[in-house]
Amino acid sequence: EAGVVQSPRYKIIEKKQPVAFWCNPISGHNTLYWYLQNLGQGPELLIRYENEEAVDDSQLPKDRFSAERLKGVDSTLKIQPAELGDSAVYLCASSLGRGASGSSGELFFGEGSRLTVL
Amino acid sequence: GENVEQHPSTLSVQEGDSAVIKCTYSDSASNYFPWYKQELGKGPQLIIDIRSNVGEKKDQRIAVTLNKTAKHFSLHITETQPEDSAVYFCAASPFKAAGNKLTFGGGTRVLVKP
Repeated sequence: EAGVVQSPRYKIIEKKQPVAFWCNPISGHNTLYWYLQNLGQGPELLIRYENEEAVDDSQLPKDRFSAERLKGVDSTLKIQPAELGDSAVYLCASSLGRGASGSSGELFFGEGSRLTVL
Repeated sequence: GENVEQHPSTLSVQEGDSAVIKCTYSDSASNYFPWYKQELGKGPQLIIDIRSNVGEKKDQRIAVTLNKTAKHFSLHITETQPEDSAVYFCAASPFKAAGNKLTFGGGTRVLVKP
């Protein structure tokens, strides 16, 4: 079974440019997360979706960041305009939804998209 | 909100020795404590977890202990092997069914020397 797929793996842009990251979760996983991981630190939640609904976006900097999961499957995270401090790894994860049979709470992470802003 | 602190930030051990990583949390409502392992260039992967109704859990060479009164939990790796070299993250969450909100610690970089 395919895991969580993210693209691109690496992206280098100049500051003030826009950038977008794409994530395809594990089939059947209703919950999707975007995490930010700065170098040498633990992941920090940006946004969590239950199907199409963003149920927790309190940590998403909404002035420049946006996300969507239009059909409740794949998701896109956008930054516009990018700043130097946005250089980090953006991790996508998925898990079985609330109340799903067999759910253990485990998050399955993709390999991440590494952003470098020059 | 929840705050999770993790120590040490780096840990170097000789192959075959044990490694211990400790975490503390602040929110008494947290009752789900997973540990994730992240290898270079990969996303974190769950290796073991524990819930607040259990004090200790073991899976082969890894074990986790939880002290809810003191709000701390630990990861123990015995008979370390070179493939145990990675960054380990503890996390805490108020677990509700399958929808949880994890707060991660800062990570511990473990190096197992052959």
